[in-house]
Amino acid sequence: DGGITQSPKYLFRKEGQNVTLSCEQNLNHDAMYWYRQDPGQGLRLIYYSQIVNDFQKGDIAEGYSVSREKKESFPLTVTSAQKNPTAFYLCASSPGPGRPAGIHTDTQYFGPGTRLTVL
Amino acid sequence: GQQLNQSPQSMFIQEGEDVSMNCTSSSIFNTWLWYKQDPGEGPVLLIALYKAGELTSNGRLTAQFGITRKDSFLNISASIPSDVGIYFCAGFGGTSYGKLTFGQGTILTVHP
Repeated sequence: DGGITQSPKYLFRKEGQNVTLSCEQNLNHDAMYWYRQDPGQGLRLIYYSQIVNDFQKGDIAEGYSVSREKKESFPLTVTSAQKNPTAFYLCASSPGPGRPAGIHTDTQYFGPGTRLTVL
Repeated sequence: GQQLNQSPQSMFIQEGEDVSMNCTSSSIFNTWLWYKQDPGEGPVLLIALYKAGELTSNGRLTAQFGITRKDSFLNISASIPSDVGIYFCAGFGGTSYGKLTFGQGTILTVHP
């Protein structure tokens, strides 16, 4: 089955520790995204990547880092510099640029999310 | 920057009733997407709209891409308890590749 997987589902960390959230997709999508969702709020973009070895800051990138070494994978590291890291983190992917006509390149599909709690 | 206004913020309805929610934008969008999110899960794409005036159905769901390209609505007919969740609209304006703008969500509660 094609899809996006995120692991783990729940993650607990002590304050001051870095933590890495995993996101993998087998949809052959070029573009991948990380969002943060706080209770009762919408989605805020952290980082996105349109192609391997390239990524861009989103609206709330401070305290986060990413890498895109493989097309299928886009891990997010929440660093100790992130002042309020407890949140629900969502990964998404979209077909990306350079696709044949008829493929809607900007339609995003989401993974199941990781809930990070910093104690 | 682009902003999306989604309303209502929440709805409490009886099973069997129809539901309508909408989103308006301060600028033109090329794509409108509607997602549903269950508690503790990722959003699931319900309907995608790519053309002004487009009306698309998916079972009991119907969504339209406004002719002005600044609004969209989602209707749910004959609601059932499993319709409970948060519904998000999202739009892509074409000015910043891949960066969707999201509405704040509509929380739907269905009483049996």
